[in-house]
Amino acid sequence: DAGVIQSPRHEVTEMGQEVTLRCKPISGHNSLFWYRQTMMRGLELLIYFNNNVPIDDSGMPEDRFSAKMPNASFSTLKIQPSEPRDSAVYFCASSLDRGLLEKLFFGSGTQLSVL
Amino acid sequence: GENVEQHPSTLSVQEGDSAVIKCTYSDSASNYFPWYKQELGKRPQLIIDIRSNVGEKKDQRIAVTLNKTAKHFSLHITETQPEDSAVYFCAATYGKLTFGQGTILTVHP
Repeated sequence: DAGVIQSPRHEVTEMGQEVTLRCKPISGHNSLFWYRQTMMRGLELLIYFNNNVPIDDSGMPEDRFSAKMPNASFSTLKIQPSEPRDSAVYFCASSLDRGLLEKLFFGSGTQLSVL
Repeated sequence: GENVEQHPSTLSVQEGDSAVIKCTYSDSASNYFPWYKQELGKRPQLIIDIRSNVGEKKDQRIAVTLNKTAKHFSLHITETQPEDSAVYFCAATYGKLTFGQGTILTVHP
């Protein structure tokens, strides 16, 4: 298995533009997580899905952020409009949840820079 | 929700010494405690984990201890090597992982 695949690896955009980050979880995993990492705030959980259903989105900063998981093999995190303070590394992670949380496998991350 | 505190924020040791990183958590219902290692520019990767029904777990030079009464757990690395230099994160969960702020470990040759 290729692991969790994220795209793009790097994204540079201007303030006000829409940004879409993509994630393909490991085949067979039923839980998917979006994290944001910054020096100041560390690793923050934004939202997680179980069996394609959003379970907890309490970490989503504001209405500018939205996430979808239309099927078991694909998820998107969208920021519209983007702001400079959104600059961070965004990680997607997946796991197999069989009643007990199993270990998370992280993607390579998307380095987002909003100018 | 869960709150995880991690100490120290930076740790510098000489090659061959031991390193200890400590974490405390707030939610007594948390039952899974993993540790992740993140090298510069890379993704976090699991190095060891422990569940609440176990007090200690060891994997070669790495060990984790858990004190559920005190709600703290620790990572122990023995015989440190320069390639152990990285950022280490602890996490706790009852349903979703909450990470500590990370410890930058530097191992000097």
